[in-house]
Amino acid sequence: KNQVEQSPQSLIILEGKNCTLQCNYTVSPFSNLRWYKQDTGRGPVSLTIMTFSENTKSNGRYTATLDADTKQSSLHITASQLSDSASYICVVSAYASGGSYIPTFGRGTSLIVHP
Amino acid sequence: KAGVTQTPRYLIKTRGQQVTLSCSPISGHRSVSWYQQTPGQGLQFLFEYFSETQRNKGNFPGRFSGRQFSNSRSEMNVSTLELGDSALYLCASSWGSRQGATEQYFGPGTRLTVT
Repeated sequence: KNQVEQSPQSLIILEGKNCTLQCNYTVSPFSNLRWYKQDTGRGPVSLTIMTFSENTKSNGRYTATLDADTKQSSLHITASQLSDSASYICVVSAYASGGSYIPTFGRGTSLIVHP
Repeated sequence: KAGVTQTPRYLIKTRGQQVTLSCSPISGHRSVSWYQQTPGQGLQFLFEYFSETQRNKGNFPGRFSGRQFSNSRSEMNVSTLELGDSALYLCASSWGSRQGATEQYFGPGTRLTVT
C-alpha cells in the first residue's frame, strides 16, 4: 500500500529562524514528489515538484530535496516569516495507466511562526 | 488569468440527500482532479478527468461520481449523503500532459456539511 509519512506533525519557530520538514514515502512506481503550502481555509499552493532524477529544487526561501534511494524528502524554509504559518503537505504520485498519476498525500506538518 | 473556481463555496445538506459541486479550471487546462479533505483523513484523491474521460479513480464508494464537459468544466456528485461526507472538497486543474510532472492549481474548495 502506498504511504506518505510526514514529520513533525507540528512545529513552532520564531520569525527569522530556519526549519526543515521531513517526508518519507513508500510509493511505487514513483513518478514525482510535490510539496504544497496550505493556508487555513484555502486550497493548497504548489511549492516544488521533483521527478526521480532531481534531488534539489528551490522556490525562493523554500528548498526541497529528494533522495530516491532512501525514499525521503525534506523541505527547508530559510529565514521564516509570519506568512509561512501554514500546513505543508507532501504528495507522492505513482504512475498509473494511460499516462496519468495517482497521488498519495501526507497528513501535513502544521508550522506556526511566532514574532 | 483567472484561477480555478469552485461553486458553491459552502453547502449544508441533510443525510440521504444528494449534492452536485462544480469546478471551472484555468483556461486551457484539460485535466481536473477532485479531492476530499477531512481533519481525520487529510487529503484524499477522488478522481481525475482528462478530455471528458475519467482517467483515474481513488478508493471511494460508488456514491461519489463525476463528469467533465467539453469546455473542461467538471462536476462531482455525491448521492445518499452520510455524515462522514462532511469535508472540504477541492478541485485542481492542470495541462494534463502525459509526460513528466505538471503543475496543479487548486481551487478554494467547497465546504460541505452534512447534518
